[in-house]
Amino acid sequence: GAGVSQSPRYKVAKRGQDVALRCDPISGHVSLFWYQQALGQGPEFLTYFQNEAQLDKSGLPSDRFFAERPEGSVSTLKIQRTQQEDSAVYLCASSARGRYEAFFGQGTRLTVV
Amino acid sequence: DQQVKQNSPSLSVQEGRISILNCDYTNSMFDYFLWYKKYPAEGPTFLISISSIKDKNEDGRFTVFLNKSAKHLSLHIVPSQPGDSAVYFCAALQGAQKLVFGQGTRLTINP
Repeated sequence: GAGVSQSPRYKVAKRGQDVALRCDPISGHVSLFWYQQALGQGPEFLTYFQNEAQLDKSGLPSDRFFAERPEGSVSTLKIQRTQQEDSAVYLCASSARGRYEAFFGQGTRLTVV
Repeated sequence: DQQVKQNSPSLSVQEGRISILNCDYTNSMFDYFLWYKKYPAEGPTFLISISSIKDKNEDGRFTVFLNKSAKHLSLHIVPSQPGDSAVYFCAALQGAQKLVFGQGTRLTINP
């Protein structure tokens, strides 16, 4: 597609519920990133894939967070047993091989109630 | 500890004048920097970048300056236009791919 696409745009989850957030990167981009953005803050790195390999997951806040990109294109970020502190905008980005500029999707705003 | 800092949460500039957004960093290993612009309810959009081997990079109305000794960079927008009103994020590349962002500066261009 023309840009990075994320779904859903908005998600309200009850505390304890599992959620899955989807990202469709720009076609042909080998690198895919997930960031978390709290209100009034800059995005914070969660995890990074190169093709289907998850090369860095140092930013995942707990073992309740899990990301996958099984075929090297679409990625899913899963949060198990959501808690209120998980409320944030989750941004997906992709970049082309050899390029540092990451292109971001519109994000998924997760609200845990 | 915040490795990339944007100390001004907001900035207001008259249309047609120069906007200067500032960013400081603490990690001397950072060697590539980027500026992103963000409108409400949208993801950040890449604006301009600079490698540490340069001290200036220009693209149209946007110029980024890097002062490595001071660990400081700035984004100049001239002339400022109403459509430039947005939140601007400074980011530094850590390792091969990970971006470390500042907190953002909200720029308002007044007509």
